[in-house]
Amino acid sequence: DTGVSQDPRHKITKRGQNVTFRCDPISEHNRLYWYRQTLGQGPEFLTYFQNEAQLEKSRLLSDRFSAERPKGSFSTLEIQRTEQGDSAMYLCASRRGQGEDGYTFGSGTRLTVV
Amino acid sequence: SQQGEEDPQALSIQEGENATMNCSYKTSINNLQWYRQNSGRGLVHLILIRSNEREKHSGRLRVTLDTSKKSSSLLITASRAADTASYFCATDATQGGSEKLVFGKGTKLTVNP
Repeated sequence: DTGVSQDPRHKITKRGQNVTFRCDPISEHNRLYWYRQTLGQGPEFLTYFQNEAQLEKSRLLSDRFSAERPKGSFSTLEIQRTEQGDSAMYLCASRRGQGEDGYTFGSGTRLTVV
Repeated sequence: SQQGEEDPQALSIQEGENATMNCSYKTSINNLQWYRQNSGRGLVHLILIRSNEREKHSGRLRVTLDTSKKSSSLLITASRAADTASYFCATDATQGGSEKLVFGKGTKLTVNP
């Protein structure tokens, strides 16, 4: 297990459809983070998990967004009733603990809502 | 919301030259980290500097931190075409149970062969 895996890499969906993304963190990492990045901007925090507990959610995470991390392993991010403004790169990251480790990011899922 | 700003927004240099990018932030921090992002890809962690450190080196990278000015700089020496990427600073300000990195908008570096 050499990195954080995200699936799919690209997703094109019609407005109003639901989409789900998956993130597989590094196995020994108990913290998992979701970020969203739009063109020309830095990543913006969405939510994070410590093991299976979702400990913080950003105001960016509207009621249409939900994230889970069952059993503290992989995580899913679901967007319901997608809007064009949801088009972005969704990045997942993990790290081992609260210590001063850098985050390991996946390659991201690029969502395009048409 | 973004924590701070990188400066410049874009930088174009010739191979072999040094590249300096600056980052300002707003709140107290535990540490500051720099990441690189190639176009359309995820971020790669480059270096972390703690709030009680003033300078850190890693290979061709040199990072400085001035907590009194709430600023940091990243120097890449002897740049290569492969260094072409966007560079982001991110602050770790874990407090009150909140753990997350807050990123700036990034500097887009182009190294011309």
